[in-house]
Amino acid sequence: DGGITQSPKYLFRKEGQNVTLSCEQNLNHDAMYWYRQDPGQGLRLIYYSQIVNDFQKGDIAEGYSVSREKKESFPLTVTSAQKNPTAFYLCASSGATSGYTFGSGTRLTVV
Amino acid sequence: QKEVEQDPGPLSVPEGAIVSLNCTYSNSAFQYFMWYRQYSRKGPELLMYTYSSGNKEDGRFTAQVDKSSKYISLFIRDSQPSDSATYLCAMRAYNFNKFYFGSGTKLNVKP
Repeated sequence: DGGITQSPKYLFRKEGQNVTLSCEQNLNHDAMYWYRQDPGQGLRLIYYSQIVNDFQKGDIAEGYSVSREKKESFPLTVTSAQKNPTAFYLCASSGATSGYTFGSGTRLTVV
Repeated sequence: QKEVEQDPGPLSVPEGAIVSLNCTYSNSAFQYFMWYRQYSRKGPELLMYTYSSGNKEDGRFTAQVDKSSKYISLFIRDSQPSDSATYLCAMRAYNFNKFYFGSGTKLNVKP
């Protein structure tokens, strides 16, 4: 079955650490996205990529970094510069005429 | 002004009621409109996907788009407790992959 796989489901980060969230899709979608969702709030766009080796900042890119070396993969690194990283992170992909397909999310907690 | 406005609710209805969820938007270039359902601690799942104006029906769900008023709706007939979730609207312009989301409406269907 085609879909998006996010891992891990739960992640704990110590102060000052960088952590990387994985996102893999087998839908042959060109575009991929990372969103952050805080309790009771909507989705906020962190980064998106419309093609391999190219990506753009979203609305809240500070403290995050991404890479897009393969069409299937779009990992997100939460750096120590992100002062409030505790949130639910969602990866998504889309085709030319399709809606978003979301992954099941990664819940990141600072300990 | 936000690109997409959505009443956050919560909206509480008895089982069997007809539910109406709505979003307004400001960008007349939006042509693709979607509704997502998100259960707590899960990724959003696509419910309805429509192009341009008109109605689309799928089982108990009907999506309506009125581009002249920049207004979209999702109707849920014979609502069930399992429909209790947060509903997100999303939209994008033609030939541009970035989606714009509403903040979500939390729905509670009481048995």
